[in-house]
Amino acid sequence: KNEVEQSPQNLTAQEGEFITINCSYSVGISALHWLQQHPGGGIVSLFMLSSGKKKHGRLIATINIQEKHSSLHITASHPRDSAVYICAAPEGGGADGLTFGKGTHLIIQP
Amino acid sequence: DAGVIQSPRHEVTEMGQEVTLRCKPISGHDYLFWYRQTMMRGLELLIYFNNNVPIDDSGMPEDRFSAKMPNASFSTLKIQPSEPRDSAVYFCASSLGAILPFFGQGTRLTVV
Repeated sequence: KNEVEQSPQNLTAQEGEFITINCSYSVGISALHWLQQHPGGGIVSLFMLSSGKKKHGRLIATINIQEKHSSLHITASHPRDSAVYICAAPEGGGADGLTFGKGTHLIIQP
Repeated sequence: DAGVIQSPRHEVTEMGQEVTLRCKPISGHDYLFWYRQTMMRGLELLIYFNNNVPIDDSGMPEDRFSAKMPNASFSTLKIQPSEPRDSAVYFCASSLGAILPFFGQGTRLTVV
């Protein structure tokens, strides 16, 4: 079973700062997921990536398959980015159910 | 499409009672997942289906939990009998080809 570790667990930053959240996993995978959980509890899939980098607005996700490591970056952070960001990898490495990291609780202060 | 629809949104029940959670996936999606979220353990996969067939139920805590998917547009997760330690938020998610799952709003279950 894949073990997924995230860091940091909690992060407080000022508006406008560049944010980095890290994720590492133990079993080689076909793709890695980044999710966002809103303060109200809803979960949104942000990215699924298997190599290189993906960008959506101010969010950038990168992955290094050889090192089993991924990062999520937020540029020009804003208070509305405050949420829990969760990294997830397929349990068996392939296309199946996800194993989740514990999440990073991000607070962006105005 | 309205997205993944779960019902009820909140459920409070007494220990020992049967609880049934419901999920309607996004039309056309061939994968359906049930997840549970607690403060202690975070998000965990319980079971997932592909084309209505259960593929992996190794995450189901014990025999008190069962899940069915009688057709492509409906799934249930049943707990019988319920216990206080089952209190959690239960999420259903669906996807096309097991990529980029779409999550329902979750059902917050409280067993007293």
